Amino acid sequence: KQEVTQIPAALSVPEGENLVLNCSFTDSAIYNLQWFRQDPGKGLTSLLLIQSSQREQTSGRLNASLDKSSGRSTLYIAASQPGDSATYLCALLRDTGFQKLVFGTGTRLLVSP
Amino acid sequence: EPEVTQTPSHQVTQMGQEVILRCVPISNHLYFYWYRQILGQKVEFLVSFYNNEISEKSEIFDDQFSVERPDGSNFTLKIRSTKLEDSAMYFCASSPLDYNEQFFGPGTRLTVL
Repeated sequence: KQEVTQIPAALSVPEGENLVLNCSFTDSAIYNLQWFRQDPGKGLTSLLLIQSSQREQTSGRLNASLDKSSGRSTLYIAASQPGDSATYLCALLRDTGFQKLVFGTGTRLLVSP
Repeated sequence: EPEVTQTPSHQVTQMGQEVILRCVPISNHLYFYWYRQILGQKVEFLVSFYNNEISEKSEIFDDQFSVERPDGSNFTLKIRSTKLEDSAMYFCASSPLDYNEQFFGPGTRLTVL
């Protein structure tokens, strides 16, 4: 059974810092991995999608990497801003014929001015 | 930019009542999903739907749940007899193809009293 863990559970940083969020998974048979942002009481906004054949994806100040062999993905946020404060979720799609995303536990990020 | 929409944003119901949660997926998408998130817990997969039938469902999706695409635009989740433990945020998602990026709606918060 695929288990997805995100560390740290919560992170508080001052504005301007570069930071790394981690996502670990137990089964390397994945098709792709998505990173989402969730604001309190709101929906899920897709940030980046990495296919299993890719090593990384970039969008603006965000960079996500994927290492299937070690069961890890990282989300790098450059020059953090207070508007980045949210919960960040990683989610995996397995490559075994199932369509469901398996979500991680989330990292709650607070960027203070 | 096209987006997934959901109605209502918040639904309050009495235990034992039937509820229908509505979603309008992105228009050219072919795969549709329901997920839920109990307060403070992970986002969990409920069901996926393709070509007018369920393609996969989780153990949560028992006989009390059903999904339907009644016309060319709506996708609904029905809970026949709600329980207290059904209280959660319910997210609809869609994707253009299988194994593709999933786009989520803003969610419906269901409160069962």
